[in-house]
Amino acid sequence: QVQLKESGPGLVKPSGTLSLTCAVSGDSISGSKWWSWVRQPPGKGLEWIGEVYHSGTTSYNPSLKSRVTISVDKSKNQFSLKLTSVTAADTAVYYCARVPNFMGWFDPWGQGALVTVSS
Amino acid sequence: EIVLTQSPGTLSLSPGERATLSCRASQTVSLNNFAWYQHKPGQAPRLLIYAASIRATGVPDRFSGSGSGTDFTLTISRLEPEDFAVYCCQQYGLSPRTFGQGTKVEIK
Repeated sequence: QVQLKESGPGLVKPSGTLSLTCAVSGDSISGSKWWSWVRQPPGKGLEWIGEVYHSGTTSYNPSLKSRVTISVDKSKNQFSLKLTSVTAADTAVYYCARVPNFMGWFDPWGQGALVTVSS
Repeated sequence: EIVLTQSPGTLSLSPGERATLSCRASQTVSLNNFAWYQHKPGQAPRLLIYAASIRATGVPDRFSGSGSGTDFTLTISRLEPEDFAVYCCQQYGLSPRTFGQGTKVEIK
């Protein structure tokens, strides 16, 4: 059974950098899947952030591209998200998810990690 | 980007009733690249349907997806107690992938 679990600080200061890691179990991150981040601000819909392949190839949402870096650590079977210059608008539940094929659907998802941007 | 509009925002039904959820896209979704998810508070979203009408592994057959072009529907034939949740649609035909705002199915 494939499981994904997000971890990282739950509170980030404005103008700081949000950093999250997604640990993958039950599947190899070096396989033929993509690995993605999606977020949901309070009271709003889901927003795709970006994704990474085990080779390091990435694809980002243009709305966040200038602030986002997604990377993969094959030795630890995990991938990470960095979002710079955060504001209160970046407060959200951040989910990691597996993508069976490039630009496809998301399955499965992690349970999510709430990150609040506040001083 | 493609904007997805779900209706209704909230659906109040009783167990055993049929639920019909709609998602309309602002432009044609190519190749029916469309998915539905179930989302319960504090839990991971769960894939229900992909390619507009294919049930994901382990999804009961009371869930069905239909539609094409700009109009898609998720139907739950007979609501079970565990089906009361938020349902969200997603298109993956055009980058960036986008989601609807969700329909909450609540117990009447």
